[in-house]
Amino acid sequence: DAGITQSPRHKVTETGTPVTLRCHQTENHRYMYWYRQDPGHGLRLIHYSYGVKDTDKGEVSDGYSVSRSKTEDFLLTLESATSSQTSVYFCAISEMDREYGYTFGSGTRLTVV
Amino acid sequence: AQKVTQAQTEISVVEKEDVTLDCVYETRDTTYYLFWYKQPPSGELVFLIRRNSFDEQNEISGRYSWNFQKSTSSFNFTITASQVVDSAVYFCALSGNTGFQKLVFGTGTRLLVSP
Repeated sequence: DAGITQSPRHKVTETGTPVTLRCHQTENHRYMYWYRQDPGHGLRLIHYSYGVKDTDKGEVSDGYSVSRSKTEDFLLTLESATSSQTSVYFCAISEMDREYGYTFGSGTRLTVV
Repeated sequence: AQKVTQAQTEISVVEKEDVTLDCVYETRDTTYYLFWYKQPPSGELVFLIRRNSFDEQNEISGRYSWNFQKSTSSFNFTITASQVVDSAVYFCALSGNTGFQKLVFGTGTRLLVSP
C-alpha cells in the first residue's frame, strides 16, 4: 500500500507545451514537496505546500507552478516546458509528529524534446 | 542557510570490503534532523535512518552503522562487508525542527560494489 503515488511515471513532451505532474497521498500529511533530481545536484526543492491552498517557492521554482486544492493532491505544472526541465521529479510528504520523516514517491521521469 | 556536503562523488570497492560515506553539514539551528537515503538503480528513494541533533549515539543496523559527531558537523555512514546489492547512490540530508522545514540534500555518493 503506497502512501504516496506519482503520475505519470514517464513522460516525453515537446518544448513549449504545458505539463502537469500529479502527486497523491493517502497519509493525510500536512506538508508536501516537489523536488527535481539532476546529476551533480542531488535533489533540489521546487515548491512546497504546508496546507490546502498554502504553497511557497523552493530554490528552483522558475518555470514551475503548483496547486493544492485538496489535502491529498499536489500538482506541479511546467507552464511552458524547456529542455532544461528534463529531469526526474520526486514528490514527498512529511508530518511534524514523533515519526517525523519524509516519504518519497517513485518519481516521474520527464523528457522535454 | 543549511548545507550538506558529500565530497565523495563515487566510490568503488570489492565485495566484503568496508566502506565509509562521508557527510558534512552546516546549520545555525540548535535542533535539527539528519537523514540518509539510498537510491538503488531502480530509482526510488529508500529511507535508511533519521537522527536528531540531541542524540549523538552511534547507531548500528546489521551491516550499516552511523557515526554522528556534532563537534565536526559530520554524520558518516559505514557499510561493513559490502555486497553487490549495496550498489546505489546514497544521499545525506538535513532538516530543521521548527514549523515547516524543507529537507536539504547533499549531491550524493555513488557506491559501486563489484564481485
